[in-house]
Amino acid sequence: QVQLVQSGPEVKMPGSSMKVSCTASGGTFRTSPISWVRQAPRQGLEWMGVFIPNLGSPNYAQRFQGRLTYTADDSMTTVYMELTSLRSEDTAVYYCARARTGASWYFDLWGRGTLVAVSS
Amino acid sequence: SYVLTQPPSVSVAPGQTASITCGGNNIGSKNVHWYQQKPGQAPVLVVHDDGARPSGIPERISGSNSGNTATLTIGRVEAGDEAGYYCQVWDSNGDPPVFGGGTELTVL
Repeated sequence: QVQLVQSGPEVKMPGSSMKVSCTASGGTFRTSPISWVRQAPRQGLEWMGVFIPNLGSPNYAQRFQGRLTYTADDSMTTVYMELTSLRSEDTAVYYCARARTGASWYFDLWGRGTLVAVSS
Repeated sequence: SYVLTQPPSVSVAPGQTASITCGGNNIGSKNVHWYQQKPGQAPVLVVHDDGARPSGIPERISGSNSGNTATLTIGRVEAGDEAGYYCQVWDSNGDPPVFGGGTELTVL
């Protein structure tokens, strides 16, 4: 059974970049749409974008356009989310989540989350 | 963009039924999904496509959707049901997925 294993917590300076990984333990992401969803402290869930590794064509939420990049390794077992020009408001737990479709798309499998703190 | 509105909190006594609503313009025409999130943990899918339960989710958790309101119903509430619950929709028309603001369920 596939599990999503994320990289560890990070502390970043304002203006720097972060790169979080999400590895499919027990499988690959090859044709699975992978989204990143973040959650600021004591806040709700915010969708950031979606990526299908074997297609290589990400779709980013408008508010992250220009700052967000999704990539995958050649084996398509690990996907990466890079967010640049960090500010304090980017402090959040970042989750990777696999998307599935029934009548519409939903997230059936989640990583445990990666806490990123942006602070000077 | 499409907006989903949830009450910030719902309280219920053990053994009773909890109803958590998710309001949206003509949401009955969309497919609604629900997630449970316990403190310090990742969200878990509990209902998809209005009322379908993933494997391992008990039958006392159900969903419905009509008009301008979708509802997650938890019967025979237990202390372990205390969590945040989020609704979500994702149309196939190219619009991004949207989450409701979340509802904290408190078991009295």
